[in-house]
Amino acid sequence: EAQVTQNPRYLITVTGKKLTVTCSQNMNHEYMSWYRQDPGLGLRQIYYSMNVEVTDKGDVPEGYKVSRKEKRNFPLILESPSPNQTSLYFCASSLRRQAHEQYFGPGTRLTVT
Amino acid sequence: EDKVVQSPLSLVVHEGDTVTLNCSYEVTNFRSLLWYKQEKKAPTFLFMLTSSGIEKKSGRLSSILDKKELSSILNITATQTGDSAIYLCAPSSNTGKLIFGQGTTLQVKP
Repeated sequence: EAQVTQNPRYLITVTGKKLTVTCSQNMNHEYMSWYRQDPGLGLRQIYYSMNVEVTDKGDVPEGYKVSRKEKRNFPLILESPSPNQTSLYFCASSLRRQAHEQYFGPGTRLTVT
Repeated sequence: EDKVVQSPLSLVVHEGDTVTLNCSYEVTNFRSLLWYKQEKKAPTFLFMLTSSGIEKKSGRLSSILDKKELSSILNITATQTGDSAIYLCAPSSNTGKLIFGQGTTLQVKP
């Protein structure tokens, strides 16, 4: 089944403890992206990648890191999480390099205390 | 600065009504505009629009882009309770950046 998977789906952690949210797609998509969704602010793009080893900042990259070493994986790293990073995170991918029809993962609910 | 404004922010209608959702944008190096539907989970893709004036249709939903006016509309005819959701508009740029609007929350009452 063609899909985007994220792990974990739910995470409660403490300030400063490094964490990684994984994202994987099995559709051979070139484009991948991370978003966060907060009430009243909508979906905001954190980072995106148009190809392996190519990543670019979205609107809210501060406090996050990403890497794209393989086409299928695009992990999101929070080196030192803070409470203002408590949010719902979505990974998405699309076939082509530009942000065409994107398929979203199920989301990761992160709480930083 | 890139900007996307959707209106109205929320809307309550009754089944059978027709609704029109609006999206206006200012995006550097605009490439396409996408519409998504979000229920209590991840957004699902509805339409991608790249050319002005060409309507895209899927059942009771249709959408059109006006590049001159930097806007797009999403129409839903004969609404059903299953149409209740947040509708998101997202213009994209040639660089691959995607900017989402705040969304329009549609509630369809029986």
